[in-house]
Amino acid sequence: GQNIDQPTEMTATEGAIVQINCTYQTSGFNGLFWYQQHAGEAPTFLSYNVLDGLEEKGRFSSFLSRSKGYSYLLLKELQMKDSASYLCAVPNQAGTALIFGKGTTLSVSS
Amino acid sequence: DTEVTQTPKHLVMGMTNKKSLKCEQHMGHRAMYWYKQKAKKPPELMFVYSYEKLSINESVPSRFSPECPNSSLLNLHLHALQPEDSALYLCASSQDELTGIGADTQYFGPGTRLTVL
Repeated sequence: GQNIDQPTEMTATEGAIVQINCTYQTSGFNGLFWYQQHAGEAPTFLSYNVLDGLEEKGRFSSFLSRSKGYSYLLLKELQMKDSASYLCAVPNQAGTALIFGKGTTLSVSS
Repeated sequence: DTEVTQTPKHLVMGMTNKKSLKCEQHMGHRAMYWYKQKAKKPPELMFVYSYEKLSINESVPSRFSPECPNSSLLNLHLHALQPEDSALYLCASSQDELTGIGADTQYFGPGTRLTVL
């Protein structure tokens, strides 16, 4: 089956850099997704990694190491609006839906 | 346009009521999903429709009944719900099911906040 682990909470200050880690165990691998979810809102897609390495997209970057079953989301130049839950997700074994980690709640303070 | 719309945004219903949640996408996506999300928990998959056919039912109680009238619409019919069914119900869609390298991104609607009294 699929198992995903990420920290429950993190705090940081405006302008800082924060790294949110995610470890996973999967039967087969079809890539890893990161979603951002503000309280009471729907998850929004941030990134998708299927090959090893770093994918940069503006202030957000995502890294994957398939051999280690490890990914991280890197947020630079933090802003207050980055306060949200960050969900790591992988497709289920059949590749028919996403399995989400419990999410990391990031609080950004001034 | 990567928009998935859901109506209503909020719904309050009694345990004897019958109501429906609606989801719509016009991106030509062939896979559509219902997720349930409780507070401070990740979304949990309920149903998957692929090419308008139900492909996954994650052992969801029969008081939840999905329907896919056409490739753009997905409904969730609710009947005789329990207070513990109160949650955010999220609809999502993707171009196709998430198979193989280059898995398709899922796009989520804003959700319906359901309260069962």
